[in-house]
Amino acid sequence: DGGITQSPKYLFRKEGQNVTLSCEQNLNHDAMYWYRQDPGQGLRLIYYSQIVNDFQKGDIAEGYSVSREKKESFPLTVTSAQKNPTAFYLCASWDPSRYGYTFGSGTRLTVV
Amino acid sequence: LAKTTQPISMDSYEGQEVNITCSHNNIATNDYITWYQQFPSQGPRFIIQGYKTKVTNEVASLFIPADRKSSTLSLPRVSLSDTAVYYCLVVLDTGRRALTFGSGTRLQVQP
Repeated sequence: DGGITQSPKYLFRKEGQNVTLSCEQNLNHDAMYWYRQDPGQGLRLIYYSQIVNDFQKGDIAEGYSVSREKKESFPLTVTSAQKNPTAFYLCASWDPSRYGYTFGSGTRLTVV
Repeated sequence: LAKTTQPISMDSYEGQEVNITCSHNNIATNDYITWYQQFPSQGPRFIIQGYKTKVTNEVASLFIPADRKSSTLSLPRVSLSDTAVYYCLVVLDTGRRALTFGSGTRLQVQP
């Protein structure tokens, strides 16, 4: 079945460390997105990529970095510069056939 | 970007019809209206999209008036499993305008 795979499901990070969240899709979608969700809140856009080797900052890009070397993959690195990284991270792609986003199951990152 | 406004929360009982209205006063000609459902610790799930009038699928109906400044998601005969957060999102048809979701409407279905 086609979809978006995010890994790991849970991730613990020590303060000062960088961590990379994986996002892989087999939907052949061009555009991919990273969102952050805090408890009881909506989704905030971190970065998005509309095509391979190109990406744009979203509303809260500070402390994060991404790459898009392959169409299928859009990893997110949470750097030590992100002061409050504990959150639920969601990766999505754009499905042009229905004007909608397809989301992965998310990665919950906790700083310990 | 079309800003959306929806109620923060709603309560219902099993078997009732639930209508959630979203306001999007500055919707543009090429914008589509989409709705998502999110359960705790899961990614949002696409429910339905529409441009104008009425759209129905196996999950819900979407009513859009002629001026398109609002839309109403209708869930027939809700069950406990419909307890979730529902998001209204206005999107450009190409999807090139990546949008930030609002806080959504938290629907609580009681037995």
